[in-house]
Amino acid sequence: IAGITQAPTSQILAAGRRMTLRCTQDMRHNAMYWYRQDLGLGLRLIHYSNTAGTTGKGEVPDGYSVSRANTDDFPLTLASAVPSQTSVYFCASSGHPTGELFFGEGSRLTVL
Amino acid sequence: SQKIEQNSEALNIQEGKTATLTCNYTNYSPAYLQWYRQDPGRGPVFLLLIRENEKEKRKERLKVTFDTTLKQSLFHITASQPADSATYLCGINYGGSQGNLIFGKGTKLSVKP
Repeated sequence: IAGITQAPTSQILAAGRRMTLRCTQDMRHNAMYWYRQDLGLGLRLIHYSNTAGTTGKGEVPDGYSVSRANTDDFPLTLASAVPSQTSVYFCASSGHPTGELFFGEGSRLTVL
Repeated sequence: SQKIEQNSEALNIQEGKTATLTCNYTNYSPAYLQWYRQDPGRGPVFLLLIRENEKEKRKERLKVTFDTTLKQSLFHITASQPADSATYLCGINYGGSQGNLIFGKGTKLSVKP
């Protein structure tokens, strides 16, 4: 089934470690996004990419980096994880200007 | 800064009734507004999009209105069913990328049989 694949599904990580969350889409969408979802705060945009080779900052970019080497992949990296980055991370993509988003099933990250 | 508020964290209604969820926003004039459904442990799923020049949009038992003067959208589920129980998210585009959406915190709807 076409869509967004995220990995890992769940991860426990020690503070200070580096972590990359993977996101792959097979819909050939130009735009991709990373959100984090926290209880009481809702979904917040971390970084986005309009097309391969470009990236931009969302609402809460600090502590995160992204790359977009090709259309299908949009990894999110935490260079040195901190407990406040404990969250559920959702990757999404969009294929047309109105921006209807297709979401993955999320990666639950716990930083201890 | 842009702000989106959804009227309540939780809404409990009886099966067969109409559920009405509210989304208010400030400090921006979005070109469109979207509604998503999210089930526990799952990613959000797109339901409806309404543009600034549209007053109302319908899809099966769902209806969305968009009042740009009030800066408000209403999301209605008619003849609600227990299967409609989920969290519903409102999102507006805030410029930049075509699909940069900021979301409200969501309203958790529970439909009791």
